Amino acid sequence: GAGVSQSPSNKVTEKGKDVELRCDPISGHTALYWYRQSLGQGLEFLIYFQGNSAPDKSGLPSDRFSAERTGGSVSTLTIQRTQQEDSAVYLCASSLVPLAGGYNEQFFGPGTRLTVL
Amino acid sequence: KNEVEQSPQNLTAQEGEFITINCSYSVGISALHWLQQHPGGGIVSLFMLSSGKKKHGRLIATINIQEKHSSLHITASHPRDSAVYICAVPPIIQGAQKLVFGQGTRLTINP
Repeated sequence: GAGVSQSPSNKVTEKGKDVELRCDPISGHTALYWYRQSLGQGLEFLIYFQGNSAPDKSGLPSDRFSAERTGGSVSTLTIQRTQQEDSAVYLCASSLVPLAGGYNEQFFGPGTRLTVL
Repeated sequence: KNEVEQSPQNLTAQEGEFITINCSYSVGISALHWLQQHPGGGIVSLFMLSSGKKKHGRLIATINIQEKHSSLHITASHPRDSAVYICAVPPIIQGAQKLVFGQGTRLTINP
């Protein structure tokens, strides 16, 4: 498709289980971002991939969260030993190569709604 | 204090009214993003702007970089405009790419 896609759209899991969330960025976009929107909260940054550079993981809330990006395209966000506070909508976005010192528009996927029981 | 503040947090208006949503930020930026989020969670980009004013249909966005302030206006509002509107900025000090978001303004337009 032409836009950012995410799967699954909804995920219900039990506390303590691991989950994987997938993001397919727009073709040709080398920058990929993960954000989280907890219930009643605003959006917050999690992690950012740009090309072959080391990812910016400064927003990951704990070491239970990790992400990888294979082949510079698809990304997987993994949450280990899920907790109820991990329940949120996880959004992925992608953009073209960021301009030095500037900003390139990000395009958002539809999100994955994660519910931890 | 949040780096991005929006006002109002909630806004209810009648169809046809002129709507203004404000965004103030405290960090240096090169651009600002206005986003729309409908029930169900999907986010759509409305505007990206770095100076002046942009217009798409009934939507107008303005920014004053010196005053660190942006506004989103909706003319002739319609119930389908009901959504959460989010202001987002990429702070230069954080690399000018990852976004910091306002808390959002929940807009309800009644017929």
